[in-house]
Amino acid sequence: EPEVTQTPSHQVTQMGQEVILRCVPISNHLYFYWYRQILGQKVEFLVSFYNNEISEKSEIFDDQFSVERPDGSNFTLKIRSTKLEDSAMYFCASSEDLGTGTYEQYFGPGTRLTVT
Amino acid sequence: GEDVEQSLFLSVREGDSSVINCTYTDSSSTYLYWYKQEPGAGLQLLTYIFSNMDMKQDQRLTVLLNKKDKHLSLRIADTQTGDSAIYFCAEETSGTYKYIFGTGTRLKVLA
Repeated sequence: EPEVTQTPSHQVTQMGQEVILRCVPISNHLYFYWYRQILGQKVEFLVSFYNNEISEKSEIFDDQFSVERPDGSNFTLKIRSTKLEDSAMYFCASSEDLGTGTYEQYFGPGTRLTVT
Repeated sequence: GEDVEQSLFLSVREGDSSVINCTYTDSSSTYLYWYKQEPGAGLQLLTYIFSNMDMKQDQRLTVLLNKKDKHLSLRIADTQTGDSAIYFCAEETSGTYKYIFGTGTRLKVLA
């Protein structure tokens, strides 16, 4: 069964450093998303991406964040200058337009980002 | 703003039914989803319901939706130890692709 994959599974970085989290969505999906889950808190939407541009973003997704689909398979989240409060599990998701009105999102296993 | 709430914990005995509840505030929700998260794993889509339905059954899973009260529940029949996980409800609203997640309910199944 096709699945969303993410690398690395765990990333440790120092405050102020740039990190890139990588995702390979399901191959025929056209909609891509990033969410994050701070330990013990809700899963929060960050950004959605379609047709090589951001469709929607939350207030969390400020200028420190960017997303890119550099080739036909990868979808990346870059944090330019990490802060302690960026420590969280980051989930990538993808979906397709089934023509039914729903866009069932399939999630990857997550990347745990630890900022020290 | 949109908010989705769930109770934090539920403990049941193996073989019993589990009922996990969720309330939401956004009346323009179009689809509501249930996801399962096992330790160290991602979010696995279990099932979803369209907002104009009041019930959906899928093998051991039954989803009930009370749109008037904005209340969603997931019933797991014959709960097994492998069902132990965190269960999240999520809503999708018209005109947006984002999901709003609940706090998650940790289900513990006792043998």
